[in-house]
Amino acid sequence: DQQVKQNSPSLSVQEGRISILNCDYTNSMFDYFLWYKKYPAEGPTFLISISSIKDKNEDGRFTVFLNKSAKHLSLHIVPSQPGDSAVYFCAASARSQFYFGTGTSLTVIP
Amino acid sequence: NAGVMQNPRHLVRRRGQEARLRCSPMKGHSHVYWYRQLPEEGLKFMVYLQKENIIDESGMPKERFSAEFPKEGPSILRIQQVVRGDSAAYFCASSQYREMGQPQHFGDGTRLSIL
Repeated sequence: DQQVKQNSPSLSVQEGRISILNCDYTNSMFDYFLWYKKYPAEGPTFLISISSIKDKNEDGRFTVFLNKSAKHLSLHIVPSQPGDSAVYFCAASARSQFYFGTGTSLTVIP
Repeated sequence: NAGVMQNPRHLVRRRGQEARLRCSPMKGHSHVYWYRQLPEEGLKFMVYLQKENIIDESGMPKERFSAEFPKEGPSILRIQQVVRGDSAAYFCASSQYREMGQPQHFGDGTRLSIL
C-alpha cells in the first residue's frame, strides 16, 4: 500500500517559470512532510520540510504548501533553473518511519 | 567528506550467495536507516537502528535479511542466499537526533545486482 503518492512521473518546465510538484498522502497521522532531490547515481538530498501544524514553509526559491484537509502537499520552485533538473521525492514521517513517494522527474528546459 | 559513506557502490552476486552492504553514518550521527529502491519505485523503509539496537525493523523481510549497527564500525545490512528479486539500490541514511521531522542525510547507495 502506497501511503505517499506522486502521480506525475515527470514534468517539464521552461527556465524561469514556476515548477509545481504534487504529492498526496493517505495517513492522517503523518506529522512531518519533507521533499528530497535526487540526481542519478547519488543519494537523495534534503530540500525542505513542513510540520503538519503549518500550511506553508518557504526557503529561497522553494516553497512547500500543505493542505491537510485534502491530504495534499506541493513543492513550488520559482524561478526554475536548469540545475533543478532532478528527481524529486516527497516523504512523510510518522514516529520512526519515513514513507517516500515514487518520485517526479523534473526537467527544466533552458 | 563527512557525509554518509556507503560501500561498495556496486555489488554483483550470484543467486544463493551472501551480500554485505556497509554504511558509515555522518560524524556525530547515531541513528541509521536503511531503504531499498526497486526499479521505477520509491524508497521503501527497511530498518531503523541506533548504536547496538534495532529500533524498528518492520520494513525488513522476515527471512534472509538482517541488520546491525555495532558500537564500533559501520552499520551492516546482510542479505543471505540472495535471489534475483533482491536486485535493487540500497540506501542508508543517518540523523543526529530522533526528533520527528529531523531530515535524514543519505549516502549514494549500493547497487546490488544478482546474476
